[in-house]
Amino acid sequence: NAGVTQTPKFRVLKTGQSMTLLCAQDMNHEYMYWYRQDPGMGLRLIHYSVGEGTTAKGEVPDGYNVSRLKKQNFLLGLESAAPSQTSVYFCASSQGLDTDTQYFGPGTRLTVL
Amino acid sequence: AQSVTQLGSHVSVSEGALVLLRCNYSSSVPPYLFWYVQYPNQGLQLLLKYTSAATLVKGINGFEAEFKKSETSFHLTKPSAHMSDAAEYFCAVSDLGTGRRALTFGSGTRLQVQP
Repeated sequence: NAGVTQTPKFRVLKTGQSMTLLCAQDMNHEYMYWYRQDPGMGLRLIHYSVGEGTTAKGEVPDGYNVSRLKKQNFLLGLESAAPSQTSVYFCASSQGLDTDTQYFGPGTRLTVL
Repeated sequence: AQSVTQLGSHVSVSEGALVLLRCNYSSSVPPYLFWYVQYPNQGLQLLLKYTSAATLVKGINGFEAEFKKSETSFHLTKPSAHMSDAAEYFCAVSDLGTGRRALTFGSGTRLQVQP
């Protein structure tokens, strides 16, 4: 079991460029999440999905889009990157109960110049 | 809405000393609470969670936390720190009633262990 994997691990973009972050999980989890981590702010929810084909906005969704075409994959897109999107991005998944553990990927460190 | 506050962004202890990391929560309903640990350049790993069963919760690596409703606290402790405990620790509360099943995180506490 690989758990939750994320690609790429690192990326540097110029302002205005676009990119897609890929998250994959092999635990057959229904729920998947994208968080961003910034110093002193903990993790904040960007978007989430409660099942294949569904997505919804979290706390900080502006500038991001997501898709969940397959149950095991959750993609995070930046259409026009901005320096404010420099962050570490974490994907997580869970079975979907309030008491369930969320399993996190290793993160993607993104720098926007 | 639920929220958590972690007091102290940095905590330094000597090896063998008691570790105490503080977390207070705000919730209009009985909360589910979690502690996660993040080692350098890694993702988050669950240490322990409170899901309304026992108020004293034991986790991995010798950590435990006690849910105190009267104090709205869920502090993390370990009797004797080890060098390998140096990491960042996050307290989180489950977003009950929203259907998201997501977590709201505190700002984190970085634990430094001195030899």
